[in-house]
Amino acid sequence: EAEVAQSPRYKITEKSQAVAFWCDPISGHATLYWYRQILGQGPELLVQFQDESVVDDSQLPKDRFSAERLKGVDSTLKIQPAELGDSAMYLCASSFGRGTEAFFGQGTRLTVV
Amino acid sequence: ELKVEQNPLFLSMQEGKNYTIYCNYSTTSDRLYWYRQDPGKSLESLFVLLSNGAVKQEGRLMASLDTKARLSTLHITAAVHDLSATYFCANWVGSNYKLTFGKGTLLTVNP
Repeated sequence: EAEVAQSPRYKITEKSQAVAFWCDPISGHATLYWYRQILGQGPELLVQFQDESVVDDSQLPKDRFSAERLKGVDSTLKIQPAELGDSAMYLCASSFGRGTEAFFGQGTRLTVV
Repeated sequence: ELKVEQNPLFLSMQEGKNYTIYCNYSTTSDRLYWYRQDPGKSLESLFVLLSNGAVKQEGRLMASLDTKARLSTLHITAAVHDLSATYFCANWVGSNYKLTFGKGTLLTVNP
């Protein structure tokens, strides 16, 4: 069964260091989402791609976060420098197109110390 | 601001009891999704509701959608411990189809 792949599953990093997460969506899915979920809260959309283009990054803290999907397939989310408040679960999801069912990867649990 | 609101946020139930989780949304979308999340895990799709009046059932869970009232419900029948999890509803917002989640309902089923 096709799945959204994410790596790493867990990441511990020191404050002020750089960290990167990778996501490989389900094959053929044009829409890719990065969400951040703080413990006890609902997922918050950070960035949404349609193919290689960003269609929504209104909640992405652009001074430290960046995201790319260069060939419209896999994607990387980067944080530099990491802050203590960035500790959260980072979830990647993909869907066939906008407005269709989204499927989530296993997530990356980030702890900033 | 367009929102998705769930209630209750916390629900403690006894096994065998029935209860309903409510999801109100402020868009004109005709689609709504329910997800389940176990502690430390990712989101698992439960139900996809695609039109007004849609009703779907899986085991002890039944979801429905009323687009005129902008309301979806997740009904739990004869709860069992295995249903303990956080349940999220989500809805498309805006022309870019931003999938927006409620705050979630933490369900605990006690013996």
